[in-house]
Amino acid sequence: NAGVTQTPKFQVLKTGQSMTLQCAQDMNHNSMYWYRQDPGMGLRLIYYSASEGTTDKGEVPNGYNVSRLNKREFSLRLESAAPSQTSVYFCASSPRDINSPLHFGNGTRLTVT
Amino acid sequence: GENVEQHPSTLSVQEGDSAVIKCTYSDSASNYFPWYKQELGKGPQLIIDIRSNVGEKKDQRIAVTLNKTAKHFSLHITETQPEDSAVYFCAASNTGRRALTFGSGTRLQVQP
Repeated sequence: NAGVTQTPKFQVLKTGQSMTLQCAQDMNHNSMYWYRQDPGMGLRLIYYSASEGTTDKGEVPNGYNVSRLNKREFSLRLESAAPSQTSVYFCASSPRDINSPLHFGNGTRLTVT
Repeated sequence: GENVEQHPSTLSVQEGDSAVIKCTYSDSASNYFPWYKQELGKGPQLIIDIRSNVGEKKDQRIAVTLNKTAKHFSLHITETQPEDSAVYFCAASNTGRRALTFGSGTRLQVQP
């Protein structure tokens, strides 16, 4: 039982490049989330998916797109990376809605030069 | 929207002492208050949570208290151990919102 798995663990991009961060959970959770973590700012929600087939914007969605491929997988895409997107990205899932415990992956550290 | 402030940003205690981390929130409709612990290189992990119909909750050495009138909640760790060293985040949400709002984190260091 792996929980929430994120790939890759580390990535370096040049400004303007694109990439997709992958996330999969094996807990049969309905809701999935993407957060970014920056020093001194806690975790901020980028996008979430309350159930398969639905996605909604969070607090900081600009520059990102998401896909809820199926119940297990929720990917985050950066179409044209910018230095401001240098951050650690966490995927999380929860069994019901946001008022149930979040289970986080171990993060992807992204650097945009 | 919700705003969560967390203090202190860093906290150093001696092993065996108690540690207290405090958070305030702005949205009086918030009704769910979890605490997460993040170890180096890992994702946050839920350690305890409380809902607004409860004033206090304990789990072994960890307790959380909630004061709805003052809109603040606190994490209490007793008999601290070196393995308690980590970054702790508070958060708040309510059933009408679809996102947790996190505090900025407290780095706790327990000196052996």
